[in-house]
Amino acid sequence: DIQMTQSPSSLSASVGDRVSITCRAGRDISTYLNWYQQKPGRAPKLLIYAASSLQSGVSSRFSGSGSGTDFTLTISSLQPEDFATYYCQQSYSTITFGQGTRLKIK
Amino acid sequence: QVQLQESGPGLVKPSETLSLTCSVSGDSVRSYYWSWIRQPPGKGLEWIGYIFFYTGSTNYNPSLKSRVTISLDTSRNQFSLKLNSVTAADTAVYYCARHAARSWLDPWGQGTLVTVSS
Repeated sequence: DIQMTQSPSSLSASVGDRVSITCRAGRDISTYLNWYQQKPGRAPKLLIYAASSLQSGVSSRFSGSGSGTDFTLTISSLQPEDFATYYCQQSYSTITFGQGTRLKIK
Repeated sequence: QVQLQESGPGLVKPSETLSLTCSVSGDSVRSYYWSWIRQPPGKGLEWIGYIFFYTGSTNYNPSLKSRVTISLDTSRNQFSLKLNSVTAADTAVYYCARHAARSWLDPWGQGTLVTVSS
């Protein structure tokens, strides 16, 4: 199994802030890294695939970067609807998720 | 538009078998890979396993492999999950999702809560 570690586990920020969430893989996964947003009581929603490709219909304030073992999800200017939990997921070898990052309103 | 819908009992007794079905519309289960993922209350996402029609292959999370079976019903365009010998630790929302090889999960079903309790 490829271990995925997200940091931070929790993050407080304000509307308009720029925030970044990091995901580290236990070994080189090239760009087989995807990001999801999950709101309470809802299924996860795909935001970014293949490390940096924006899913259709997702706001351009979301962006992804990285390759190998280190990846970043950045939200350029937080909006009220962005407060949620974010997960990374590797698809290089089967599937594993990071533990999640809860983004809270400051 | 592809849609997935989970169904099955919401309550299962300890030591029994959890059985869920994912009904697929807008696509054929003969294409793509089809996965099950679960999320215990208040916790993160755990991939359970997937099935792929063309090779007939399945792949399971090693931590659950001894208890899990995923199967396809092409006539009903559905795929199913069986998890045996359940305990309270298997209480979770169970999701189904579609993906390609070495790819992202999209779309997802809405999820169904399964509680293990006597």
